Amino acid sequence: QSVLTQPPSASGTPGQRVTISCSGGTSNIGNNPVNWYQQFPGTAPKLLIYTNNQRPSGVPDRFSGSKSGTSASLAISGLQSEDESDYYCEAWDDTLNGPVFGGGTKVTVL
Amino acid sequence: QVQLQESGPGLVKPSETLSLTCAVSGGSISSYYWSWIRQPAGKGLEWIGRIYVSGFTNYNPSLKTRVSMSADTSKNQFTLKLSSVTAADTAVYYCAKLVAAGGIRWFDPWGQGTLVTVSS
Repeated sequence: QSVLTQPPSASGTPGQRVTISCSGGTSNIGNNPVNWYQQFPGTAPKLLIYTNNQRPSGVPDRFSGSKSGTSASLAISGLQSEDESDYYCEAWDDTLNGPVFGGGTKVTVL
Repeated sequence: QVQLQESGPGLVKPSETLSLTCAVSGGSISSYYWSWIRQPAGKGLEWIGRIYVSGFTNYNPSLKTRVSMSADTSKNQFTLKLSSVTAADTAVYYCAKLVAAGGIRWFDPWGQGTLVTVSS
């Protein structure tokens, strides 16, 4: 049972916009920035979005993040086949004094 | 460009101690936090703990009684030890750099991960 709640799956056709939600509480998302990671099967997670809405160099601008209150979301606009992957949200938890992760969302491109 | 590489036994017997090393290249381990994170097959990510080269550590309370981390600046690497392992500790173990400044934190980069299986 993950501390942050994500839908297990999401899907869309090429070109569509897909949104993934991440719900937490006051000790984590409510009080700290949210990060998102992309993970392809058999590989390590890779930083996709940091501090709610910042993209590292090299990440396409079709990926965007937002946060409001104790929830955050990742949007993929103009979905492409190479976006088929697992996505995890993460935020620091003040009670744990460490990070907590969502359970992950598998994005499928139909 | 900082790169991380995990190494260690892929098979550990129940009740024994799991020991992994993360070698850092392309940058010094000084002045940063370093973490271990694990992922059981088909499941999500679990933070194990973090270390700063000064010796500061903090661990996930769920594992705190069994975990220890250390860092060796001369070898530019840090290690994880997890004692009294059971099958529930079977997972891919990742090391990662924790970027932290002024209340903002994220993990980047990550090592490629190493699978550790606990079995007799």
